[in-house]
Amino acid sequence: QVQLQESGPGLVKASQTLSLICTVSGDSINSNEYYWTWIRQHPGEGLEWIGYVFASGSPYYNPSLKSPVTILIDTSKNQFSLEVTSVTAADTAVYYCARGVLGYYFDTSGPLYFDYWGQGALVSVSS
Amino acid sequence: EIVLTQSPGTLSLSPGERATLSCRASQSVDSYYLVWYQQKPNQAPRLLIYGASNRAIGIPDRFSGSGSGTDFTLTISRLDPEDFAVYYCQQFGSSLTFGGGTKVEIK
Repeated sequence: QVQLQESGPGLVKASQTLSLICTVSGDSINSNEYYWTWIRQHPGEGLEWIGYVFASGSPYYNPSLKSPVTILIDTSKNQFSLEVTSVTAADTAVYYCARGVLGYYFDTSGPLYFDYWGQGALVSVSS
Repeated sequence: EIVLTQSPGTLSLSPGERATLSCRASQSVDSYYLVWYQQKPNQAPRLLIYGASNRAIGIPDRFSGSGSGTDFTLTISRLDPEDFAVYYCQQFGSSLTFGGGTKVEIK
């Protein structure tokens, strides 16, 4: 049974760095079949993808995001992480990690759909 | 970027009724790339439909997806009390985008 679990502080001060880790169990993050993805949901709003990473590739970030983000993958720990620097109140959200099934669109690849999700981690930014 | 517009924003129905949810794309989407999720309060989204019409593992057959081009539909044939939730469409084409969601609430 594949499981994803987010962990990290629930409260971050404005201008500091938000850091979350997603621990994957029941599957190897080294798989060549999945994109490991971060998605967030602002309170009462819809879903916004942040970025995704393939085990053997570079991360790809949502170009619409205003916040500077970094996604890293640690295959030795079967984890991937998210950092959002210089956070503002607009970064207050529930952050989900998810497993994206690999898909191709012409000569690009990415997550076709998300079949497993973490339970979500609420991160609030305080002033 | 392909924009997905879901309608209606809220659908008020009774258990046992049929629900029809729309997802309209700003440009044509290959049905292979169109996906639907269900999200209940305080839960993560759950994959319902992929490839526009393929039910994910464990999804009841009262859920069905259809459509092509710019117009896609999620149909719940007979609403069960557990189906009252928010539904999102998503596409992965030239980029990844989600629709804004449709809330199915109890009338």
